[in-house]
Amino acid sequence: SQQGEEDPQALSIQEGENATMNCSYKTSINNLQWYRQNSGRGLVHLILIRSNEREKHSGRLRVTLDTSKKSSSLLITASRAADTASYFCATDARNYGQNFVFGPGTRLSVLP
Amino acid sequence: NAGVMQNPRHLVRRRGQEARLRCSPMKGHSHVYWYRQLPEEGLKFMVYLQKENIIDESGMPKERFSAEFPKEGPSILRIQQVVRGDSAAYFCASSLDRGSYEQYFGPGTRLTVT
Repeated sequence: SQQGEEDPQALSIQEGENATMNCSYKTSINNLQWYRQNSGRGLVHLILIRSNEREKHSGRLRVTLDTSKKSSSLLITASRAADTASYFCATDARNYGQNFVFGPGTRLSVLP
Repeated sequence: NAGVMQNPRHLVRRRGQEARLRCSPMKGHSHVYWYRQLPEEGLKFMVYLQKENIIDESGMPKERFSAEFPKEGPSILRIQQVVRGDSAAYFCASSLDRGSYEQYFGPGTRLTVT
C-alpha cells in the first residue's frame, strides 16, 4: 500500500507552543499535500510541496520533505486554540493514478 | 466564487433505501473525486471522474455503488440498498486539471443508515 501514515495519532499542546506532525509514505511521489479538517467539517488545503522541494513556508506553517526517507513534517509555530483540528497528509504517487492517498491523520488539540 | 458544493449536508436513510449524493465542482473545474471517511479515519479514495467519463473507480465497492458526472449538472454518487456500514462522511473534491494539482474539497455529506 502506498498510504501515508501520520505520526503521532493524537497530540495535545498548550497555546503558544509549537506542534510537529510527521507523515511517512511508501512509494515515490510527485507531491505531498497537507490538509486540515475541523471536527465535522470538510478539508482545507494547507500546503503542497513537490518532490523536488525540501522545505516550504506558509504563515505559521513550515513543511519539510525528505524523499530519501519518504517522510514529511508539518510544523505549526505559536499554536492557537483555533488550530485544534485533524491534520492529514496526502500523497500523489507517480505511478498510482490521479487520486490522492490520505493517511489516518493526527488529531491536534491546542489547550488555552 | 463558490467553492465545491455538496448536498445534502446530512442524509438519513433506512437500510435498503437508496442514497444520492450530489457534488458541484468549483467553477472551471472538470475533474471530480469522491472520498469516503469513516469515523476517526482518514479519507479513502473511491472514484475519479471527468465530464461524462469515469477515469478511475478502483476505490469503489463493486456492488451497490455508482457514480456519474454528466455533461450538465452535478456529479452524483449513488448508493443502492444502503446498509449500516455505508454510514460515513462522503467528500467530493474538484481540481482544475489532472496530475499534481490541488484538490479543493466540499463540506461533505454525512450519511447515516438506520
